[in-house]
Amino acid sequence: DIVMTQSPDSLAVSLGERATINCKSSQSVLYSSNNKNYLAWYQQKPGQPPKLLIYWASTRESGVPDRFSGSGSGTDFTLTISSLQAEDVAVYYCHQYYSIPYTFGQGARLEL
Amino acid sequence: QITLKESGPTLVKPTQTLTLTCTFSGFSLSTSGVGVGWIRQPPGKALEWLALIFWDDDKRYTPSLKSRLTITKDTSKNQVVLTMTNMDPVDTATYYCAHRTYDSGSYAYWGQGTLVTVSS
Repeated sequence: DIVMTQSPDSLAVSLGERATINCKSSQSVLYSSNNKNYLAWYQQKPGQPPKLLIYWASTRESGVPDRFSGSGSGTDFTLTISSLQAEDVAVYYCHQYYSIPYTFGQGARLEL
Repeated sequence: QITLKESGPTLVKPTQTLTLTCTFSGFSLSTSGVGVGWIRQPPGKALEWLALIFWDDDKRYTPSLKSRLTITKDTSKNQVVLTMTNMDPVDTATYYCAHRTYDSGSYAYWGQGTLVTVSS
């Protein structure tokens, strides 16, 4: 199984400041034939299902504010929120869909 | 507009079989590249991917639970059914179904989830 490890587990960021969440996979999730990283980021608020933010490691889902960005390749990835808004308080998960079993990180709690 | 909704029992006894139905609209599970997956989340814990069925009836399961899981689809009813045998209290979780597209490989649309408690 590919283990997804997120860091930090929790972080507190002030409004308007940058938030950075890291995700490291135990194996590369880069598929060489199409040069795509099979890595997504989700946001989950209490009592709600996860919301897709980023796929292919850096492609923003339609409707997601451009303050959210994803970067990285191979085994190391980052989700960045450029200017934190109050509505960004949530738990964030990285997810690899490169190989079965698809796996999620343990989650990173973002607070103000 | 794509929507999904999970339905099934909220309480099951240990050793019983759980049957969950995902009823969806706004897409067809006969369209090339489309899939519907099941993901669960124990209270206060992380997400766990369980199973996925594709438009062509290809099925994928998490190996640790493969012997207990069965995923099927009924394209005419726009439904996907997940069965899990031999339920245990550790299977207590919110179970989500979600729509997966070939373009993103990810789950852009999710149901609201259904909490299943396993207790005698």
